[in-house]
Amino acid sequence: DGGITQSPKYLFRKEGQNVTLSCEQNLNHDAMYWYRQDPGQGLRLIYYSQIVNDFQKGDIAEGYSVSREKKESFPLTVTSAQKNPTAFYLCASSIVGESTEAFFGQGTRLTVV
Amino acid sequence: AQKITQTQPGMFVQEKEAVTLDCTYDTSDPSYGLFWYKQPSSGEMIFLIYQGSYDQQNATEGRYSLNFQKARKSANLVISASQLGDSAMYFCAMKWTGGFKTIFGAGTRLFVKA
Repeated sequence: DGGITQSPKYLFRKEGQNVTLSCEQNLNHDAMYWYRQDPGQGLRLIYYSQIVNDFQKGDIAEGYSVSREKKESFPLTVTSAQKNPTAFYLCASSIVGESTEAFFGQGTRLTVV
Repeated sequence: AQKITQTQPGMFVQEKEAVTLDCTYDTSDPSYGLFWYKQPSSGEMIFLIYQGSYDQQNATEGRYSLNFQKARKSANLVISASQLGDSAMYFCAMKWTGGFKTIFGAGTRLFVKA
C-alpha cells in the first residue's frame, strides 16, 4: 500500500533533549512538509522540501531542523531550543503544483515531561 | 500575503440535513487551488475536494460540493445528507503558483446529531 508512515505515534521527551520524528513516503512525491497542530487550532507549516537535499523554512521553523537526504524520507528534529514543543506533528507529501492535494501521515503526538 | 479564514469554530447539524462550512481566502496570485480536508478524532487528515481558481464550475465529490464565489473570495464546503461519521474537524486550505506551500485555516468542528 502506498502512503506516508510517521513514527512513533506517541513520544515523550524530557526538557532539554533533542528528539527526532520519522516520516517516510512511498508515493514518489517530490514535495514533503512538516506541520504542527496545537489543540483546537489549524496546521502551521514548520519546514517543507521540494526536492532532495533542499528544504525551506516555513512559518514556525525556530527550534526545529530537518534533512532530506532521500526522496522518501524527511525527518524532523525538535531541538531543545524549541520552547513549547508539546503538540501534534503531521508530515505530508504531494506532487508539486497548485492543484495537487497533500497526503498525510497519522501524526506524532509529542509531549514534554 | 496569502490567508485562509474560517469563522465558524463549531457547527451543529441534524443527521440527514445539509450543512455549509464557510471559508474565505486572500491572495493576489491569479492561479491558486483551494482544498478541503477532514480530520477525525484519530488525527489523520483526509482530502475531500479541490477547486481550481480557473475552474468555471463548482467542484463536487459525492456528498461534498464546493460553493466557489471567486469575486467574494469564498470557497464554502457543502455537505449534503449529513451522517454521524461526518463529525470531525474540517479545514480549508490553499496553494498558489509554484505549489510549494499549503496554508490552512483554523478549522471548523462539525457535530452531527442523531
